[in-house]
Amino acid sequence: DAKTTQPPSMDCAEGRAANLPCNHSTISGNEYVYWYRQIHSQGPQYIIHGLKNNETNEMASLIITEDRKSSTLILPHATLRDTAVYYCIVTDSGGYQKVTFGTGTKLQVIP
Amino acid sequence: GAVVSQHPSRVICKSGTSVKIECRSLDFQATTMFWYRQFPKKSLMLMATSNEGSKATYEQGVEKDKFLINHASLTLSTLTVTSAHPEDSSFYICSARDTKGIRNQPQHFGDGTRLSIL
Repeated sequence: DAKTTQPPSMDCAEGRAANLPCNHSTISGNEYVYWYRQIHSQGPQYIIHGLKNNETNEMASLIITEDRKSSTLILPHATLRDTAVYYCIVTDSGGYQKVTFGTGTKLQVIP
Repeated sequence: GAVVSQHPSRVICKSGTSVKIECRSLDFQATTMFWYRQFPKKSLMLMATSNEGSKATYEQGVEKDKFLINHASLTLSTLTVTSAHPEDSSFYICSARDTKGIRNQPQHFGDGTRLSIL
């Protein structure tokens, strides 16, 4: 799996957009970018994933740069419940799909 | 959506006890499941890959005789911590992906099992 680099922590005001960056400069052509988050004492929750096009779902948007070496997860209107550790993961889309977690970004949403 | 159920959510037991943790995919089949361990304020560490109908694949440094994995069906994998000691206390999490789904489907995680060995 390609390695990813994320800032260790970020703050965001409640109601504002939270933009979480991720660098994955060694990503290969068949690898997808996945985002998960982990709220304290729970299992990770899947958020969104993409290959090269920008993606949007009910939880978030994912912006992937044209060279695919970095991406940004956007939570459009952060709430206190979005406080969590966010993990950016790059992995092959094949059946094995081993997922290796880095250290993630601790997002603190502030009232 | 896809749901992975993990049981029990919390276990407290005496040193020397063996503890079994179950991981079930509730609405899909999974030929492969993964087991993770997480220490406080640390990231998830992959322990092993559970393969339906065959032996599990363990990550480097993980004792296979200590952490027994059985994947007897397409919806159930179990992790047994044998003769548990206080240093085995941790948060254990499993994950699975729909085997029959499209190739880029994400992993779905259980809510974890907090194991405390006294």
